[in-house]
Amino acid sequence: DQQVKQNSPSLSVQEGRISILNCDYTNSMFDYFLWYKKYPAEGPTFLISISSIKDKNEDGRFTVFLNKSAKHLSLHIVPSQPGDSAVYFCAALWTNAGKSTFGDGTTLTVKP
Amino acid sequence: NAGVTQTPKFQVLKTGQSMTLQCAQDMNHNSMYWYRQDPGMGLRLIYYSASEGTTDKGEVPNGYNVSRLNKREFSLRLESAAPSQTSVYFCASRGLAGASSGANVLTFGAGSRLTVL
Repeated sequence: DQQVKQNSPSLSVQEGRISILNCDYTNSMFDYFLWYKKYPAEGPTFLISISSIKDKNEDGRFTVFLNKSAKHLSLHIVPSQPGDSAVYFCAALWTNAGKSTFGDGTTLTVKP
Repeated sequence: NAGVTQTPKFQVLKTGQSMTLQCAQDMNHNSMYWYRQDPGMGLRLIYYSASEGTTDKGEVPNGYNVSRLNKREFSLRLESAAPSQTSVYFCASRGLAGASSGANVLTFGAGSRLTVL
């Protein structure tokens, strides 16, 4: 049973427009949610996170929204840039357990 | 540069051969992890070590062993490699993000691509 799901394997947007990446989870014990970005032949790198006690966290062009009742979070990138083209992984953490659970990733392509 | 270093970057094995993937971090993190990533799939946890001297199984531990040699180093061993273990392996360590977020963030190595024929 997959506890973190990213239902869109890929997303393509035009440069300057908004990119919205979605993630759903099932385990209500998760108390932190993180987004990681991965370029080919590199390891994932941390992008932004949100605590379960918040519903929004913003860092520059990146904003993460959390809807706890729907067990859904989304990453908004505005404006999107070609350098944002990468695989984005949603991860959920139950801090007491100390283990992060990852979704399958969404490949974002930003076209110039 | 501070971070997580994995070796080797690439390895080709024959079925039944053994090998060890090495990982070292210089950020003084307590927790270290081994993940594997298969095409179209996310990162699946193989083993982790919450602190020096402890190791625990993750989602997919079968066919692997680990050793937490000291606080810096965490190795992953394949005793008898199988084609199903063809994958990209990532080592990670866990520390805190910026003080304002308080999140526990994973720092990953660049990955080790393993092919088992």
